[in-house]
Amino acid sequence: ETGVTQTPRHLVMGMTNKKSLKCEQHLGHNAMYWYKQSAKKPLELMFVYSLEERVENNSVPSRFSPECPNSSHLFLHLHTLQPEDSALYLCASSLPGGGQRNEQFFGPGTRLTVL
Amino acid sequence: QKEVEQNSGPLSVPEGAIASLNCTYSDRGSQSFFWYRQYSGKSPELIMFIYSNGDKEDGRFTAQLNKASQYVSLLIRDSQPSDSATYLCAAPTNAGGTSYGKLTFGQGTILTVHP
Repeated sequence: ETGVTQTPRHLVMGMTNKKSLKCEQHLGHNAMYWYKQSAKKPLELMFVYSLEERVENNSVPSRFSPECPNSSHLFLHLHTLQPEDSALYLCASSLPGGGQRNEQFFGPGTRLTVL
Repeated sequence: QKEVEQNSGPLSVPEGAIASLNCTYSDRGSQSFFWYRQYSGKSPELIMFIYSNGDKEDGRFTAQLNKASQYVSLLIRDSQPSDSATYLCAAPTNAGGTSYGKLTFGQGTILTVHP
């Protein structure tokens, strides 16, 4: 596979469930990102990992727990979510910053519905 | 002031017309800028990047950058209904000299091209 992949593509879960979202990048990047995008709202950056170290956590509730075991894989562990957490969750990756070309490449997203 | 700001629209143009999308940014240190296209329910897709003052053309798309005015725009010539999407402007965020390619996204402009 090429690019950035995410699984599952769709997820429906109850508020008491525990689930995980997976992201994998095949681009040789070493920075990975989780974004949340609610209906008709801008992208919200949740977490940033650089060289497998979490470098940003933008006031995300503890019911979202990221994990980055290596530079190619990123997980988002979910537990006791709320209906307002229903959204499109996007993973992205990039090369190190500082250069002129540091665009991010996005995966297809996981559409999450919390009942 | 938002770091990257776009007119959220919606912008509606007839098929065949030129669509003009605008973006302003606050960080004078930003060196490169990206335009993403996002179809409804899909993930953002990079369509243009620009890092030099002036114009950059790619097919029907032209990006324009004016660093003195901190302004970047995207022109779409001969607009097609398939261009209907949300267009996101993004600029690198130098969060304390990070080594990763963090981007700050605008809120997006919704473009509708009607036949």
